[in-house]
Amino acid sequence: SQQGEEDPQALSIQEGENATMNCSYKTSINNLQWYRQNSGRGLVHLILIRSNEREKHSGRLRVTLDTSKKSSSLLITASRAADTASYFCATDGYGGSQGNLIFGKGTKLSVKP
Amino acid sequence: SQTIHQWPATLVQPVGSPLSLECTVEGTSNPNLYWYRQAAGRGLQLLFYSVGIGQISSEVPQNLSASRPQDRQFILSSKKLLLSDSGFYLCAWSRLGGSTGELFFGEGSRLTVL
Repeated sequence: SQQGEEDPQALSIQEGENATMNCSYKTSINNLQWYRQNSGRGLVHLILIRSNEREKHSGRLRVTLDTSKKSSSLLITASRAADTASYFCATDGYGGSQGNLIFGKGTKLSVKP
Repeated sequence: SQTIHQWPATLVQPVGSPLSLECTVEGTSNPNLYWYRQAAGRGLQLLFYSVGIGQISSEVPQNLSASRPQDRQFILSSKKLLLSDSGFYLCAWSRLGGSTGELFFGEGSRLTVL
């Protein structure tokens, strides 16, 4: 079954605006990761936030984690057309011992120039 | 630096034909290896993972099988393809041991079964 569920499924914004994507999950986790996928390509790791962290930054990316609500958000500030892609959250729903991640269905972000 | 190669990039096969997708990793030893499938507009479904040569775990019952004949080689196979096997297949690796870390993905293989 799906562990992470992203929201919204699709998001369309203008260049320069901020984009916020949310992820909810069901079981306890060791960490939560966000990945990006350009159309027809493989996934690229963006950022990992551990269960004892509440917020993390990487360049124009800001990730928050609320373990009490079992949710995370990814904020992309000052978006660019090149940010157009699908974004997935992934959690180690099995406790992490096997290194297996469970991915959500993704948010498709379109940034219009 | 580590690299992951996956091929072929695209494949069109008739129903009932065999399948072989190959993935190799360079620049690291003893990686965890994974095969995921992504159906159109959906998330990734873990098919197989391997923590060592000859050690394969299957996540879902299916028409596919996986093998790891060498430390950095992972092969996805089928003896007879079904229409439902169509999809985008992604190989990935992660560092062995410890808590779940970053996955490094290949560029994917798009399979169309007709």
